[in-house]
Amino acid sequence: QKEVEQDPGPLSVPEGAIVSLNCTYSNSAFQYFMWYRQYSRKGPELLMYTYSSGNKEDGRFTAQVDKSSKYISLFIRDSQPSDSATYLCAMCFSGGYNKLIFGAGTRLAVHP
Amino acid sequence: GAVVSQHPSWVICKSGTSVKIECRSLDFQATTMFWYRQFPKQSLMLMATSNEGSKATYEQGVEKDKFLINHASLTLSTLTVTSAHPEDSSFYICSAPQGVNQPQHFGDGTRLSIL
Repeated sequence: QKEVEQDPGPLSVPEGAIVSLNCTYSNSAFQYFMWYRQYSRKGPELLMYTYSSGNKEDGRFTAQVDKSSKYISLFIRDSQPSDSATYLCAMCFSGGYNKLIFGAGTRLAVHP
Repeated sequence: GAVVSQHPSWVICKSGTSVKIECRSLDFQATTMFWYRQFPKQSLMLMATSNEGSKATYEQGVEKDKFLINHASLTLSTLTVTSAHPEDSSFYICSAPQGVNQPQHFGDGTRLSIL
């Protein structure tokens, strides 16, 4: 079993849809949770960074962490074609200097 | 704006050549940086942790004599792929955290093609 499970998709949605991306994990010791967006042939770009359980909102993006279920989500409201990318969840035991454990990444396509 | 800069973005060279990739933290000091490798349509695979002023820590299965890492200053880490062969062709990405309990920021990656 992988430490972090993420459906690779692809996920195709119409413009304006609400997108839900999810990851599950097996190690309850993870404390920090991140979502990165990666465009083709570019490095990952940090979207959301959360500590422990709860919700965090930033513009059209909302990140949720449910540590009791070992489940994290990223919601994208009013999706745009420019949101088409691969979304990677990542987590680590403690912040900053510890290595990240990544999900497989979900490829998202938002069509006009 | 970008907080981690990586250079070059793309390099093509002949088999047997050694290639150096630079990773710089912009406007912050990074005592630790990370080097990843990514194959097409796959997630990032951690290769090594680069520590300023000390030896890098390599992940299992990564040849340290093949992938030389130097972290000589608080803003620069370099990865040298020695005697590169076609199987070393990949996308190499570095990252650095801005501080304790801060997230890692990634460079834009280096696409390495060995002919």
